[in-house]
Amino acid sequence: NAGVTQTPKFRILKIGQSMTLQCTQDMNHNYMYWYRQDPGMGLKLIYYSVGAGITDKGEVPNGYNVSRSTTEDFPLRLELAAPSQTSVYFCASRPRSDPNNEQFFGPGTRLTVL
Amino acid sequence: AQSVTQLDSQVPVFEEAPVELRCNYSSSVSVYLFWYVQYPNQGLQLLLKYLSGSTLVKGINGFEAEFNKSQTSFHLRKPSVHISDTAEYFCAVQVSEGGGTSYGKLTFGQGTILTVHP
Repeated sequence: NAGVTQTPKFRILKIGQSMTLQCTQDMNHNYMYWYRQDPGMGLKLIYYSVGAGITDKGEVPNGYNVSRSTTEDFPLRLELAAPSQTSVYFCASRPRSDPNNEQFFGPGTRLTVL
Repeated sequence: AQSVTQLDSQVPVFEEAPVELRCNYSSSVSVYLFWYVQYPNQGLQLLLKYLSGSTLVKGINGFEAEFNKSQTSFHLRKPSVHISDTAEYFCAVQVSEGGGTSYGKLTFGQGTILTVHP
């Protein structure tokens, strides 16, 4: 299993540009999450999904959109990039019923908006 | 809502010394507690967790943590650190099954950078 994969690893955007951060997991996990990590701030939940076709906002959803058309994929869309969206983005997943309650994280995407 | 406070943003220690990374949380419902570790330029990896039972939990790489409900703390300890323990450590909470429907969402602390010097 590859686990949780994210593409791209790095990206530089200009203000106002749009892009999609890709996230794929091959573990058949129902739950998927997007976090952003900023220095000294920990990780903040952007959006999450409990299954294909079902998504909901997290703590910091403004400026982002998500979709979940399949169990495997959970892309994060930035429509009008702003400098405040410069961050490291992590995707994570876990099974719906898991006695360990463990989330599995991808390697991250480092995004810079100039 | 839940919140997590990691009391130290940076902790420098010498190799083979003991270390404690402090974590306090706030929640009106029952929670599960976690410590994750992030090595440079990598994703997060679960170090250990408290779900129920014994309040002293052991994790990977010789780390352990103690859940103290009265002090709402979950401090991480290691009796003797190695250079390879240099990383950022995150404390996190999740609403437990008895506390409501959380869908496994985590609330993270700000992180503590542990630097082990030779």
